[in-house]
Amino acid sequence: SAVISQKPSRDICQRGTSLTIQCQVDSQVTMMFWYRQQPGQSLTLIATANQGSEATYESGFVIDKFPISRPNLTFSTLTVSNMSPEDSSIYLCSVQSGRASGELFFGEGSRLTVL
Amino acid sequence: SQQGEEDPQALSIQEGENATMNCSYKTSINNLQWYRQNSGRGLVHLILIRSNEREKHSGRLRVTLDTSKKSSSLLITASRAADTASYFCAIRLPSSYGKLTFGQGTILTVHP
Repeated sequence: SAVISQKPSRDICQRGTSLTIQCQVDSQVTMMFWYRQQPGQSLTLIATANQGSEATYESGFVIDKFPISRPNLTFSTLTVSNMSPEDSSIYLCSVQSGRASGELFFGEGSRLTVL
Repeated sequence: SQQGEEDPQALSIQEGENATMNCSYKTSINNLQWYRQNSGRGLVHLILIRSNEREKHSGRLRVTLDTSKKSSSLLITASRAADTASYFCAIRLPSSYGKLTFGQGTILTVHP
């Protein structure tokens, strides 16, 4: 298993500002995934972060809005830029288990509220 | 959408009763997984069933998969108040490089 630490756990932000969420894993992993969970909704994949290359974004998500860094095999950041109230969500970092079947381990999430 | 659809959206039962949640999907899958989420926190992996499997057990959990109907069910037997949580199914598509597509989830409330 992997232990994933996310910071901040929650924050209240003002419209138009940006916030960077950090994700630290206790072991080296190839791929890290960033998900968004809007209030009362399911999880939607934002992007896959690979070390040494640009993140791969899912349809509906763009790098200018959600820039991602992946400087090494244990760390990644997701920035939510120019926030609006619609960005109020839980943002979750996850990594794949070492098994080929691909179970995911999740951080505790970062709950953002944009006023 | 390939997203899994779950029903019921909410389920309320008494302790000791069984809880059954269903998940349907629209495309071929590599495997289907179930996760639990407590109060908007991180998700915890519960159980995985591969596309060539029909049933799996883990403790009080039983998962079935019917690929012809593109559906799965999660049964929690002898439920406890501590089982109160949201439960999500997630599908892994072939060649999806670890990406999972999550269903809408079922909110389970177990009353003591």
